Amino acid sequence: DAGITQSPRYKITETGRQVTLMCHQTWSHSYMFWYRQDLGHGLRLIYYSAAADITDKGEVPDGYVVSRSKTENFPLTLESATRSQTSVYFCASEEDGGTETQYFGPGTRLLVL
Amino acid sequence: QKEVEQNSGPLSVPEGAIASLNCTYSDRVSQSFFWYRQYSGKSPELIMSIYSNGDKEDGRFTAQLNKASQYVSLLIRDSQPSDSATYLCAVSGGSYIPTFGRGTSLIVHP
Repeated sequence: DAGITQSPRYKITETGRQVTLMCHQTWSHSYMFWYRQDLGHGLRLIYYSAAADITDKGEVPDGYVVSRSKTENFPLTLESATRSQTSVYFCASEEDGGTETQYFGPGTRLLVL
Repeated sequence: QKEVEQNSGPLSVPEGAIASLNCTYSDRVSQSFFWYRQYSGKSPELIMSIYSNGDKEDGRFTAQLNKASQYVSLLIRDSQPSDSATYLCAVSGGSYIPTFGRGTSLIVHP
């Protein structure tokens, strides 16, 4: 199916565990993004990537690691999960050609106990 | 720090009325402006983009941009209960990295 997908959709983990959230897009868009959304804070950018092997920090990168070995995949890893990382995580890709239109995945709801 | 400000609401309008959502931004060199709609428990989806001063209409939606005053608005005509959602304003300065506002909650009541 064309589009952008995230897995898992729901995840419960414990403090201190490593968690990886997956993101896959089929359009071959150059730019991809990871956001977290919390009540009262709106969408906050964690990391973004301009192309394969090019990543950069966003507004709230601490505690997160990303990689992008292939254009279509952009996994986000929480190295040692903390309760403050309980959130809804959205992956997005951005249409090439200068419109800057973003397409969001369905989100992953993460609960850290 | 680039800022995008929206009234969190909720904005409550009766069915059939015009809903007016507003957004102000701090970065004067911003070039691209977007409105995303987000239903509860769902991901944001683009409904309007605007790149130059003036109005842009698409069906019941009209985006208005005034770069001199640094605000962008979204008008929804003939509001329907299905329009009830949170509307996110996003602004970009051409860096491909948009800044999102916190969103305005819209409630359209029958």
